[in-house]
Order: sequence, then C-alpha cells, then structure tokens
Amino acid sequence: GQQVMQIPQYQHVQEGEDFTTYCNSSTTLSNIQWYKQRPGGHPVFLIQLVKSGEVKKQKRLTFQFGEAKKNSSLHITATQTTDVGTYFCAGRLETDKLIFGTGTRLQVFP
Amino acid sequence: DAGVTQSPTHLIKTRGQHVTLRCSPISGHKSVSWYQQVLGQGPQFIFQYYEKEERGRGNFPDRFSARQFPNYSSELNVNALLLGDSALYLCASSLHGGYGYTFGSGTRLTVV
Repeated sequence: GQQVMQIPQYQHVQEGEDFTTYCNSSTTLSNIQWYKQRPGGHPVFLIQLVKSGEVKKQKRLTFQFGEAKKNSSLHITATQTTDVGTYFCAGRLETDKLIFGTGTRLQVFP
Repeated sequence: DAGVTQSPTHLIKTRGQHVTLRCSPISGHKSVSWYQQVLGQGPQFIFQYYEKEERGRGNFPDRFSARQFPNYSSELNVNALLLGDSALYLCASSLHGGYGYTFGSGTRLTVV
C-alpha cells in the first residue's frame, strides 16, 4: 500500500538552532500538506503545496515540494520553544485519500 | 464560529461492544474524514465522505463503518471492539477534499 515516511523520527535541538524534517512517498502525490500536533493536542493544518518544485514560506518555516512530487521538506530557522511538537506531512493521492506520514517529534531545549 | 466538534471526548468500552462516535464539521464544510491515531504514531486514514457519499476507505476491517448525514455531520461506528481499537479517533472537515483539514479534538476510546 501507499506509504509516507518521515525522517528523522525524533530531533532534539537547542533553541536558536535550525531544524529540518524530510518526507518521502512511495507514490506520486497530487499535493502535500503539513500539520503540527502539540503534545496532547490534535493536528493543526500549516500549509498545502501543489506544484512540482514549489517553495512556500511562513515566517521562520520553509516548505518545499520535490520536482517528482514524491518528497517534501519542512525547515525551521532559529527554533523557539513554541515550535515543540510533532510535524506530519500528509500526501494526497489522486483518489482524494490523505495519507499521513510517520511524523517527526521536535523537542527544543531553552 | 465553532470548530469541528466531536463527541464524546472520552469513552471506555468492553471488548465485543459497539461504539458510535459523532462529528459536526465546520459550518459550510462538506467533506468529513475519520482517522485513528495510536499513541506515538501518525493518524491512519479510515474514511472520507463528501456530500454524503463515501469517497475513500482505508485499510480497516468491515467492523468499521461510517455515514454522513444531510447536515454534513458524521458518525463512525465500530462493532465487536477489540483491545487494539483503543486509540484517539479524529474527525476532520474541509470545504472539499482538496483543501487543508481542520481537525476536532478527538474521541479517546479505551477498550478494556
């Protein structure tokens, strides 16, 4: 079946350091979304990427969709303690199914 | 405006019992999806409904079923509960399937 894998599984950083999580799909995606889930919370939508090679920025967050539309990345510049949580990519297949990745848990130490 | 509301928030059931989880989407949202999230894992897709029609089904047994009502609210039903069904069940709504999802706070189901 379709799989969406993320690496790393965990990342611990010092506040102010950068962070990147990578997302890879076994199949071509029609689009990809990113979500953040705080401990004990529910996923919150961050952004959607649709075009091959697309790059979008939200303040300190930079999202990229690969040329082959099978991979994506999220980069956070100068992490803050408020960035703590698990970041999920979610790939949309042509059938409208949105498949979540395995997630990367980010811990930021002050 | 109210967000996505789910009920109940917590539930304890015994093996073999049946459970019904409910979800009210954001007003105007016609697409509702259900996900199961086991602690420490990503949400697993169960069902998607749009305009009261099933648009997608994940790899879950037939014990899992769902429906969407004319007001776009939705129910997830699970029969013959197993211990492994213990999880957070999340409902998400969107304008239609191609947009970002807004998730509810979920129903925490514990099967004992």
